[in-house]
Amino acid sequence: DTEVTQTPKHLVMGMTNKKSLKCEQHMGHRAMYWYKQKAKKPPELMFVYSYEKLSINESVPSRFSPECPNSSLLNLHLHALQPEDSALYLCASSDPDRGFETQYFGPGTRLLVL
Amino acid sequence: QQQVKQSPQSLIVQKGGISIINCAYENTAFDYFPWYQQFPGKGPALLIAIRPDVSEKKEGRFTISFNKSAKQFSLHIMDSQPGDSATYFCAADNSGNTGKLIFGQGTTLQVKP
Repeated sequence: DTEVTQTPKHLVMGMTNKKSLKCEQHMGHRAMYWYKQKAKKPPELMFVYSYEKLSINESVPSRFSPECPNSSLLNLHLHALQPEDSALYLCASSDPDRGFETQYFGPGTRLLVL
Repeated sequence: QQQVKQSPQSLIVQKGGISIINCAYENTAFDYFPWYQQFPGKGPALLIAIRPDVSEKKEGRFTISFNKSAKQFSLHIMDSQPGDSATYFCAADNSGNTGKLIFGQGTTLQVKP
């Protein structure tokens, strides 16, 4: 099973709302990622968790707060977002014991900030 | 030096034709070069990947050609089909590092029936 699941599929939120995105994988991967993707652009790395510890934060604004409760779950907490944060948010996972190599992506959450 | 340059930005090919997408990199520490395929509204999916110790890798209709001295690699899609219409991203990574993929800017492929 090479599936990464993400919920919700779509999310509309106001600039004062607090919401969370959820990602789950059962491949035994110990690295998980959050990406942001704008239309017709490549995915842009936001955060990397390796063995449940935050290993990379690509200078993401604090209104995005990641959390890795266990090796299968990854959350992204959203607060006071701006309209320019509207994008497709992708989760991915990989196996650091194999040099991280292949990243498996979920279908994404389409976020619209009003 | 961390960039991966991808061309063309868009490509239109007739059904049955060959689609060719090119990428170039500068960082010689890169040692893993995957290609991802992304359909509208979906996440990217790994299509095929190569390491610099081989010059070519083929999986079905998809072939990666790799030129280490020129620091270039390309994706060839043989017998292109309308179902291949998607956005293709090349990427590069220094495996064993952090898993930080460096993506090219993407190529939108349209295969006409």
